[in-house]
Amino acid sequence: GQQVMQIPQYQHVQEGEDFTTYCNSSTTLSNIQWYKQRPGGHPVFLIQLVKSGEVKKQKRLTFQFGEAKKNSSLHITATQTTDVGTYFCAGPGGSAWQLTFGSGTQLTVLP
Amino acid sequence: EAQVTQNPRYLITVTGKKLTVTCSQNMNHEYMSWYRQDPGLGLRQIYYSMNVEVTDKGDVPEGYKVSRKEKRNFPLILESPSPNQTSLYFCASSLGKAPSGANVLTFGAGSRLTVL
Repeated sequence: GQQVMQIPQYQHVQEGEDFTTYCNSSTTLSNIQWYKQRPGGHPVFLIQLVKSGEVKKQKRLTFQFGEAKKNSSLHITATQTTDVGTYFCAGPGGSAWQLTFGSGTQLTVLP
Repeated sequence: EAQVTQNPRYLITVTGKKLTVTCSQNMNHEYMSWYRQDPGLGLRQIYYSMNVEVTDKGDVPEGYKVSRKEKRNFPLILESPSPNQTSLYFCASSLGKAPSGANVLTFGAGSRLTVL
């Protein structure tokens, strides 16, 4: 089935540093979603990007969808300890009904 | 409160003993799905259902069964569990399908299963 690759797998940053995770697909995606999973929790929807080149911001989080709709990124400015968790991207899978997740980036923020 | 409810949250069982993990949603969602989460592998889809009596295999369906007899419920059945099914399982639901944008998932709290 369709695969969505996500890097890096792990990232440790000092509090106040920036963080970026990248998501790549071999095929064009109709949309891409981002989820956050806190330690011991479940994935929670953050945002959905639909348009080519789209950029959306949520406070310190900036989400981008590539021009070719094959890649996406999540950038966090000035990380805080509350940003700790695993961030997943997800795109439509083999059928319009499926959602395929990247392997996630686990973010650790050191105080 | 809109939610997806899974039970049990934790379960330890032995090889070969049939078990069912229940999932129920109160949002009248058409789409429901099961994922398993393993370290380094992210979330992998087991089965999904587009509506009542309509189900399809995901990426890792072997060893699992599902049914969708009612819109709100989507149980996951392990007929003969094996140790390689030890995992964290998530049920999720959404309104509909891409590209309408209706495929945003709401997840349950997860069910941690250990098979000895």
